Amino acid sequence: GDKVKQSPSALSLQEGTNSALRCNFSIAATTVQWFLQNPRGSLMNLFYLVPGTKENGRLKSAFDSKESYSTLHIRDAQLEDSGTYFCAAEEDGNYAQGLTFGLGTRVSVFP
Amino acid sequence: ETAVFQTPNYHVTQVGNEVSFNCKQTLGHDTMYWYKQDSKKLLKIMFSYNNKQLIVNETVPRRFSPQSSDKAHLNLRIKSVEPEDSAVYLCASSSRDWGSSYEQYFGPGTRLTVL
Repeated sequence: GDKVKQSPSALSLQEGTNSALRCNFSIAATTVQWFLQNPRGSLMNLFYLVPGTKENGRLKSAFDSKESYSTLHIRDAQLEDSGTYFCAAEEDGNYAQGLTFGLGTRVSVFP
Repeated sequence: ETAVFQTPNYHVTQVGNEVSFNCKQTLGHDTMYWYKQDSKKLLKIMFSYNNKQLIVNETVPRRFSPQSSDKAHLNLRIKSVEPEDSAVYLCASSSRDWGSSYEQYFGPGTRLTVL
C-alpha cells in the first residue's frame, strides 16, 4: 500500500448521494485499473485507464499520469455499490511485475 | 463463458502439507498471474508467466511454485504450508499482444486456511 495510496480508507454513503475516491501513486504508473471486490471476494473490473477519463453509467474515472493520481466518482449511490474499491497501477516498463494495488476503500451505502 | 476459473474455492489443511490450486482462463490471454491477498486485504503479486517466461516476486518463499501446462493454465503449488500462508490466492490473466488492452481479469480466488 505504500506505492499506491488510496483515500479515504472507508466511506459511508446515503443512497442517492455522490462521492469520490482517490489514488495517489509514488511509482511511474502507465495504466490504472479500478476494481470492486464484493463480499464473496470476487474482483469485478470497473475501469482500465490510460491517461484520460472514462464513464460507465453512474461511475466516472480519471487518471492523470503527470500528477500521479486517479479518481473514481460515484454518482447517485445505490445499495449494490457497497463493497471494497481497489485501484491498481502498472508501472512503466515493468508489466511483468503485475499490478501494484492500494489498500482499498470500503464503501457502505445505506438507505 | 469466457473468464478466469479457479479451484478449489476453499481449502483447509495442516502445517507441513502440500497443496495445489488450479487456474484456467478461457479469454485467449497470453499472460497469467498469481496474487496473494492477506488478512488486511492487501493484494500482492507473486508470479507472472508469459510465453514460458516466469517472473517471480523476490519476496515469495521458495516453497511456492507455479506450474503451467499451456498458456491457458497456471497452477500454484505450495510444498509445505506454513501458518502465514493462510490467505486468499487470486489468479489473473491479461493479453500482452501489441495493440491489445493490457487489462487484467481475476478469478474468484481460493481461500487457504492453515491450521
